[in-house]
Amino acid sequence: KNQVEQSPQSLIILEGKNCTLQCNYTVSPFSNLRWYKQDTGRGPVSLTIMTFSENTKSNGRYTATLDADTKQSSLHITASQLSDSASYICVVSAEQAGTALIFGKGTTLSVSS
Amino acid sequence: DGGITQSPKYLFRKEGQNVTLSCEQNLNHDAMYWYRQDPGQGLRLIYYSQIVNDFQKGDIAEGYSVSREKKESFPLTVTSAQKNPTAFYLCASSIVRANYGYTFGSGTRLTVV
Repeated sequence: KNQVEQSPQSLIILEGKNCTLQCNYTVSPFSNLRWYKQDTGRGPVSLTIMTFSENTKSNGRYTATLDADTKQSSLHITASQLSDSASYICVVSAEQAGTALIFGKGTTLSVSS
Repeated sequence: DGGITQSPKYLFRKEGQNVTLSCEQNLNHDAMYWYRQDPGQGLRLIYYSQIVNDFQKGDIAEGYSVSREKKESFPLTVTSAQKNPTAFYLCASSIVRANYGYTFGSGTRLTVV
């Protein structure tokens, strides 16, 4: 069964600290993996998208990694800011087009001052 | 600016009433999707459409209906048959091939009163 598991479920860190969110998947055949940021009451916004051949991609203070062999991805946030407080969702796309997006349940990050 | 517009942002439904959520995009995307988001759960697909005048059921289509008369518009009707409609509804669109260009709207929060 195609699944995406994220950990931790929630995380609290102090402003300025770094953190890493994890995503494990069992989607096959794999096409790409995305990380989204979702602010409360808003739609998800894409941070990164990686295909099978890419093992790291950055977007400002966000760096995503992908290990296609172990089917694991991580999202590293550097020098966290209060505005980073949000839900971070890992989404894996199967190879066929259209509807084959498998969503994780998300990690809720709270950055405090 | 290109994007997806969902309206209204908040919607209240009485028992036994049908309500329609609007989704409009000017990204020239062929595919459009409706998702439901509940607390602590991943996004679940309600309906999707890859071409005008055609749409398919997703994982949780019961109690919902859609239409796709124009490429830009994909309204969702929550019918009285949906027994637990209180949720956050997200519309998305994409370039069909390879699932690229996947963009979400800002969401509609529906509450039963």
